[in-house]
Amino acid sequence: DIVMTQTPLSSPVTLGQPASISCRSSQSLVHSDGNTYLSWLQQRPGQPPRLLIYKISNRFSGVPDRFSGSGAGTDFTLKISRVEAEDVGVYYCMQATQFPALTFGGGTKVEIK
Amino acid sequence: QVQLVQSGAEVKKPGSSVKVSCKASGGTFSSYAISWVRQAPGQGLEWMGGIIPIFGTANYAQKFQGRVTITADKSTSTAYMELSSLRSEDTAVYYCARVNYDFWSGLGDYYMDVWGKGTTVTVSS
Repeated sequence: DIVMTQTPLSSPVTLGQPASISCRSSQSLVHSDGNTYLSWLQQRPGQPPRLLIYKISNRFSGVPDRFSGSGAGTDFTLKISRVEAEDVGVYYCMQATQFPALTFGGGTKVEIK
Repeated sequence: QVQLVQSGAEVKKPGSSVKVSCKASGGTFSSYAISWVRQAPGQGLEWMGGIIPIFGTANYAQKFQGRVTITADKSTSTAYMELSSLRSEDTAVYYCARVNYDFWSGLGDYYMDVWGKGTTVTVSS
C-alpha cells in the first residue's frame, strides 16, 4: 500500500501570509495512463472534507486562486498564497493512483497565529 | 448537481452491526464509484472501501476485510456500508464520497468531488 506522509502537522500562520504543506508518497503516483492522481482536500471544523485540488495542480470548481498545487512523482506541495480566516482547518493529501485503494495523508492543521 | 444524503446518527452496542446509507440525487449514480471513508474523533481520514454500482463489485481496505460489506441499489441510487462486530474503536463519523470517474463512458478522473455530510456512529455499552 502507498503511504502518504504530510508535513508539518500544524502550521500557525498570520492572516495575509502564505502557507505551504508538503506531502510525500512512499512510491511514485504516476498512473499507467500517465496521469498523477494526487488530490488535496480541506476540512473545516465540523464539516465534511471538500475537494480543493486534483491531479496535482487543477483547482476544483469554486476554489479560490490563492490555492495552488505543485509537484511530481512522490513529492507534492499545497500553497495558500495569502491565508484568510476561512482557510482555518485541516488539509489532507490523497492518492487515487492505486484506485480502488485510496490513501490519505495524516493531515496538516492550518491555524491563525 | 449530484448530492449524497446519508442516514442519521446511530448508537450501537459492542458486537452489533450498523448499516449506513448514502442516497445520490441530482445526477448519474450507477456508473460512478462510491467510496466510504471514516474519521475517528480527532483523527484523520481512513478509506474503508468502495463500490462501482454498475458492476456491483466492492473493494475493501485490508483492515476492514471480513467486517465490512458495501452494497449498492441502482433502483434507488443508494449505496450502503455495513460494519459488523462493532467495538468502541469504531466510534467515528462515516462519510460516503463519489469518485469522479464515469466507468460507463471512461471519462473523468480519480478524485472525490462530492461528499456526504457524514453519519456519526457511536459504539458504547
